[in-house]
Amino acid sequence: KAGVTQTPRYLIKTRGQQVTLSCSPISGHRSVSWYQQTPGQGLQFLFEYFSETQRNKGNFPGRFSGRQFSNSRSEMNVSTLELGDSALYLCASSSGGWGNTEAFFGQGTRLTVV
Amino acid sequence: AQSVAQPEDQVNVAEGNPLTVKCTYSVSGNPYLFWYVQYPNRGLQFLLKYITGDNLVKGSYGFEAEFNKSQTSFHLKKPSALVSDSALYFCAVRATTGGGADGLTFGKGTHLIIQP
Repeated sequence: KAGVTQTPRYLIKTRGQQVTLSCSPISGHRSVSWYQQTPGQGLQFLFEYFSETQRNKGNFPGRFSGRQFSNSRSEMNVSTLELGDSALYLCASSSGGWGNTEAFFGQGTRLTVV
Repeated sequence: AQSVAQPEDQVNVAEGNPLTVKCTYSVSGNPYLFWYVQYPNRGLQFLLKYITGDNLVKGSYGFEAEFNKSQTSFHLKKPSALVSDSALYFCAVRATTGGGADGLTFGKGTHLIIQP
């Protein structure tokens, strides 16, 4: 069974640009969550989607948005990039809609904003 | 609001010795608790979880963790450390309320270094 796939693995963008990251969950998984990992703030929850609906959102500005498609694939978009958005963005999928199921993480997309 | 504390930035253990990585949590109501491991330039790998029932849970690669409700702790343990266990370990919590919509709240992580 293929794992969670995130594309691209690495990105370099200029301040002010926008970026779209993609995540393909494990087959059959309907829940997809996104996290930002930085050395200073650690791992922080961005948002969670289940069956194409955003169910929860972390404490991030509106420049961060996402969506989920009918095949459970998900994208996240960051507009008007800032230097502080440089981070490893991790996508995770889980099989159930309940909190007791473990999340499986992709290898992440390393975004560098210059 | 939920939170996780991993009080040690780094834990050093000699190969073959037992290891413990500490985690305490704060959550409204009962918790779901998880341990993940991260190797350099990789995503997180699931190790084990506590949902309900037996306070001692066993997971991958010989790891186990003990849930202690009174101390709000969920320490990760292994009887005999291997050099290959060297990695970054994260404890995470999610409240049992919220229907699964709440994201995981992670600790800052603990670097585990196993010395040959």
